Amino acid sequence: EAGVAQSPRYKIIEKRQSVAFWCNPISGHATLYWYQQILGQGPKLLIQFQNNGVVDDSQLPKDRFSAERLKGVDSTLKIQPAKLEDSAVYLCASSSAEYNEQFFGPGTRLTVL
Amino acid sequence: GEDVEQSLFLSVREGDSSVINCTYTDSSSTYLYWYKQEPGAGLQLLTYIFSNMDMKQDQRLTVLLNKKDKHLSLRIADTQTGDSAIYFCAEKQDFQKLVFGTGTRLLVSP
Repeated sequence: EAGVAQSPRYKIIEKRQSVAFWCNPISGHATLYWYQQILGQGPKLLIQFQNNGVVDDSQLPKDRFSAERLKGVDSTLKIQPAKLEDSAVYLCASSSAEYNEQFFGPGTRLTVL
Repeated sequence: GEDVEQSLFLSVREGDSSVINCTYTDSSSTYLYWYKQEPGAGLQLLTYIFSNMDMKQDQRLTVLLNKKDKHLSLRIADTQTGDSAIYFCAEKQDFQKLVFGTGTRLLVSP
């Protein structure tokens, strides 16, 4: 069974530029999560989708971050414009109702200069 | 407090036992998890415990849960150099949301 796929693995941009990350969850997983992990900290949930609907986006900085999961499968997370403090690893995870586990992708490491 | 707390660093010798501690926040959390993160990698689920259990053992891993004190621990028996990584505890809150601790860096020396 293929795991959670993310791309790109690394991205370096300058502040005020835009960036987008892509995630393809495990086939059949209805729930998809985006986490932000700042260096030295644990992951923090940004947004959670159930199929193509948003369940929780309370910690998403909506003035600059947006995410979509149009067909209930893969998802994109966008930052526009980026700030220095957005430098982090962005992790995508997915889960199904059957199993009590979130499966994580390898993450995208973003550096904002 | 609002944060899931962990000690930052633990150093052990190969063959010793390691105990990583965590204090979580929500007494109504249903599941508590331990994840492992190696450099440049995503998170790997090691084990989890349901909140009505006190202990769970899985090969070299033993999880202890004290609900009264909201304290969770992970014991790794016969620690190996390959166990060197960052370990995160996490609690499951509303809508399947996971809240992670700050992580404990385990260093195993030969």
